[in-house]
Amino acid sequence: NAGVTQTPKFQVLKTGQSMTLQCAQDMNHNSMYWYRQDPGMGLRLIYYSASEGTTDKGEVPNGYNVSRLNKREFSLRLESAAPSQTSVYFCASSGKETGGEKTQYFGPGTRLLVL
Amino acid sequence: GIQVEQSPPDLILQEGANSTLRCNFSDSVNNLQWFHQNPWGQLINLFYIPSGTKQNGRLSATTVATERYSLLYISSSQTTDSGVYFCAVSLGGSNYKLTFGKGTLLTVNP
Repeated sequence: NAGVTQTPKFQVLKTGQSMTLQCAQDMNHNSMYWYRQDPGMGLRLIYYSASEGTTDKGEVPNGYNVSRLNKREFSLRLESAAPSQTSVYFCASSGKETGGEKTQYFGPGTRLLVL
Repeated sequence: GIQVEQSPPDLILQEGANSTLRCNFSDSVNNLQWFHQNPWGQLINLFYIPSGTKQNGRLSATTVATERYSLLYISSSQTTDSGVYFCAVSLGGSNYKLTFGKGTLLTVNP
């Protein structure tokens, strides 16, 4: 049981390049999330998917797109990378528990540097 | 949006000491979680605790929802407790949109 996996672990881009961050979970969770973590800012929600086939904006969605490919996979795409998108990106998932979906489980993160 | 404030921002302890971390939030919440981010960056869920008290080994947490704060207690600290502790909350109606505090950086020295 791998939990939440993310690829790649590290990426360097030039301004204007595009890339897709991949996330997969094997816990049969309904909900998946993308966060970014910047120094001194904590984690901020970019997009989430409450269930397969749905996606919604979080706190900082500008410059990103997401795809919930199936129940297991949730990808984050940067169409035209900017230096302000240099950050550590975390994927998370949560599943049905008594009273609703609660505990979120995080992947190891992807470190992205945009030059 | 909801505001989450954690204190202290930094804490240095000697191994074996006890500590209390605090999380204040500005609105009623239906989801409150504590996370530990280790020095390698991995985020581990410690507690889901929108109200009441829970214990897990040397760690325990208490949330007083009516007074809008939560406390994380670490007893007999070990060097492996080092890292950043985050509190995260979401408002009633949605468990999905967690808002994180800026964290408390804990350093436990041998």
